[in-house]
Parts: sequence; C-alpha cells; structure tokens
Amino acid sequence: EVQLAESGGGLVQPGGSLRLSCAASGFTFSPYAFSTYAMSWVRQAPGKGLEWVSAISGEGDSTYYADSVKGRFTISRDNSRYSVYLQMNSLTVEDTAVYYCAKRLYCSSTTCYGFEHWGQGVLVTVSS
Amino acid sequence: DIVMTQSPLSLPVTPGEPASISCKSNQSLLHSPGYNYLDWYLQKPGQSPQLLIFLGSSRASGVPDRFSGSGSGTDFTLKISRVEAADVGVYYCMQGRQTPYTFGQGTKLEIK
Repeated sequence: EVQLAESGGGLVQPGGSLRLSCAASGFTFSPYAFSTYAMSWVRQAPGKGLEWVSAISGEGDSTYYADSVKGRFTISRDNSRYSVYLQMNSLTVEDTAVYYCAKRLYCSSTTCYGFEHWGQGVLVTVSS
Repeated sequence: DIVMTQSPLSLPVTPGEPASISCKSNQSLLHSPGYNYLDWYLQKPGQSPQLLIFLGSSRASGVPDRFSGSGSGTDFTLKISRVEAADVGVYYCMQGRQTPYTFGQGTKLEIK
C-alpha cells in the first residue's frame, strides 16, 4: 500500500525559508510507477479549511501554484528517490499551516483526478 | 479561480438517518470526455483527508455504499443514506477542473 510521509516542518521567523519533503513508499514496481502520478501539496491553517498550494506533473516538467504562494514556493520531485519537495521562501505568518502531500488516484497523459493518498501532514509555524 | 460553495456548513444528524451536502461551483466542472472533475473528501477529527468520491459520482476504494455522489456541471450533492457515528468529521468538495484547485468551506457533520 502506498504511504506518504512528510518532513521538514518546524518554527521559522517571518521572511525565512523551509524545505518540505514528501517520501512515498509502496511503489513495488519502479520509479517509473511513481513518475506516472502527479503530486500536490495541500495546506490547512489552524482551525481552517483545506487550501491547495502546488502541483507537479509526473515527470516534473510542469508545475502549478496557488496565487498566494506563486513566486515564493517551488515544487520539485526526484522520481529516483520517490520524493516530492516544497521549497518555501519569504514565509509570512499566513503560511502557518499543516502541509499535506497528496498523490493522484489516476493520471493519464492529459488529465488526473482524485487525491487518493495523503500524508499525515507536517506543521509549519511562521512566527517571530 | 473557480469558487466552491458548500451548504450547510453544519449538519447535525441522528444515527440511522440520511444526510445530504450540497456543493456548487461558479463555473462548469464538466470536461472532456464527459467527466465532472469534482471530488468529495472527509477529514475525520485529527486525521488527514480521505477521498470518498471522485469524478462527481465514483466511490473510492473501500468507501461504503452508504455514500453516493451525484450532479453535473455546477451543482453536486453528497448523500449518506444512513449516518453512522464513524461518519463524523468535516466534508469538503474540491474541483479538479483547473488549477488552482479549490475546496469548498467544509461541512461539519456531527451526531445528534
């Protein structure tokens, strides 16, 4: 069974940076199997709802961002390591949240749907 | 951006009774080849979200058939035929039609 594990969260001062990692396990075939799935980061501020943050295609050649993080966050992946990353720069207090890594249920060459697997989440706190 | 609006935001339900949540989008979620890119997720207390329904009406693996999704275009509904105590949590709809993907505000289901 596929499992996702986030890491890299913590306390950072406004204006600081953090790099989140998401390690996937359970892909029994090869990195190719992992590379067929787009991945996303979704966050949840304390006591608030879910907010999609960023997505990356299976091969990593296409990336997408919410307006709230565009220009500050960078998503990347290393399929040989079954991993996805989120580099977060110029952090503000509004970025305080639990960050979830999520894997698509299905992806074809043209479309994806469903977030089938989610990690347990990692807390990022931006405070002075 | 596509705006998702859920109602109600709070839903007290007696065990064994049905429940229904509405989700409306301000743009059509219908895309070729005829799929509605609308998901439903349940976030139980203290847990990560879990996928219930994808493409508007397809149940995810392991989801009881008490849960059903319907609708097309801009109007969608999640129905629970008989609510159980294990169904407590916050339900979110999410559009996957285009980025930025957007979620509804969430509907908190509680047991009466």
